[in-house]
Amino acid sequence: EAGVTQSPTHLIKTRGQQATLRCSPISGHTSVYWYQQALGLGLQFLLWYDEGEERNRGNFPPRFSGRQFPNYSSELNVNALELEDSALYLCASSLAGALNEQFFGPGTRLTVL
Amino acid sequence: GENVEQHPSTLSVQEGDSAVIKCTYSDSASNYFPWYKQELGKGPQLIIDIRSNVGEKKDQRIAVTLNKTAKHFSLHITETQPEDSAVYFCAATLNTGFQKLVFGTGTRLLVSP
Repeated sequence: EAGVTQSPTHLIKTRGQQATLRCSPISGHTSVYWYQQALGLGLQFLLWYDEGEERNRGNFPPRFSGRQFPNYSSELNVNALELEDSALYLCASSLAGALNEQFFGPGTRLTVL
Repeated sequence: GENVEQHPSTLSVQEGDSAVIKCTYSDSASNYFPWYKQELGKGPQLIIDIRSNVGEKKDQRIAVTLNKTAKHFSLHITETQPEDSAVYFCAATLNTGFQKLVFGTGTRLLVSP
C-alpha cells in the first residue's frame, strides 16, 4: 500500500513569492493535516482538512492557506513568503475525522532566500 | 493551555542500554498519546500509541506508560540498537473545540555501538 506522498521534495523561493506544496493521502484516508517543522523545532500544526472542508487551523497568519480536492489530495499555499517560512512542511493523513494514527509523508523542504 | 513538554532534548546511550523519554501534557481531557520516530530526511513514523483508558502498552522493545493523574507519559526503549538513533516526538490530543495533536519538541537519541 502506498504511503503519503508529497511534492516537490525541495522548493527554493525568494521573499515575497508564493509557494504551493502538494500532498496525496493514503488510499481510504479522507483527513489531511499540514505541519510546519522549523529547523531544530517540533511540529507545529497548520491546517486540518476533512471531506474537502477546513476543520481546524493553527496559529499561523492568513497567508498560509490550502484546500482539499475531491480525491482527498491537498495543497498548501504560502503567500508573500518570508525568510522565517523556511522549514520542512509535513503532510499527514488519517481515517475520516480521526486524529489518531496519523501517517506522515516525507515532507517538502521549503527554503526562502 | 496547549503545551506538551518533552525531556530530555538529547539522550546518548550505549548499545544494549535502556532509554527513557518523558512528556508532560497540560490538557486533562487529552485522551490519545502517540509517539513518533523521525529519521534524518524522513517524515515522522508512528511507533506506538496509548489511549487514556490504558496505563501501559508494550510492543517488543518499546513500551509506553501513562499516568493520567500526573499528566505525564513516557517512552521506554530496551536493548537499544544503533538503528534506534533518531529524533523521537511525543504528542497529545488537545480538545478545545476541534481536536488536534500537539507535539513535544523532540528528543534526539543517539545509540553508540
